Amino acid sequence: NAGVTQTPKFQVLKTGQSMTLQCAQDMNHNSMYWYRQDPGMGLRLIYYSASEGTTDKGEVPNGYNVSRLNKREFSLRLESAAPSQTSVYFCASSPSDRTYEQYFGPGTRLTVT
Amino acid sequence: AQSVTQLDSQVPVFEEAPVELRCNYSSSVSVYLFWYVQYPNQGLQLLLKYLSGSTLVKGINGFEAEFNKSQTSFHLRKPSVHISDTAEYFCAVKYGGATNKLIFGTGTLLAVQP
Repeated sequence: NAGVTQTPKFQVLKTGQSMTLQCAQDMNHNSMYWYRQDPGMGLRLIYYSASEGTTDKGEVPNGYNVSRLNKREFSLRLESAAPSQTSVYFCASSPSDRTYEQYFGPGTRLTVT
Repeated sequence: AQSVTQLDSQVPVFEEAPVELRCNYSSSVSVYLFWYVQYPNQGLQLLLKYLSGSTLVKGINGFEAEFNKSQTSFHLRKPSVHISDTAEYFCAVKYGGATNKLIFGTGTLLAVQP
């Protein structure tokens, strides 16, 4: 039982390049989330998916898109990366959007030069 | 606006000493409170949670926290820390509402020294 997995672990992009961060969970959870973590700012919600087939914006959605591919997978896409998107990205899941506890993946460290 | 405040960005402490990490939230009728721990280069792991009931909550690794509604606080305590407790600790709050959106504090780095 791997929990929440994220790929890649590290990535370096040049400004303007695109990439997709992958997230998968094997806990049969309905809800999934993408956060970014920046020094001194804690974790901020980018997008979330309350259930398969739905996605909603969080606190900082600009510059990102998401896809809930199926119940297990929730990807985050940067269409045109900017240095301001240099951050550590965490995916999380929870049994439902009314279940308060979230389970986190190990993170992806992204640097945009 | 709904917010979570962790005033201490870093707390240095000697091994076997007690520690308290502070967390305050903006007042609300209903709140659900969490402490997460993040070890270096890892994801977040749930330490403990308060959903209802007893205001003193015990978590993993000997940590506990007390919900104080009148002071809108949820401070984390441990009577005797170990080197292995060195990590970043995040307080998070879910305010009463329809969706499961957690609001995180900015984190407190607990640095345990020998």
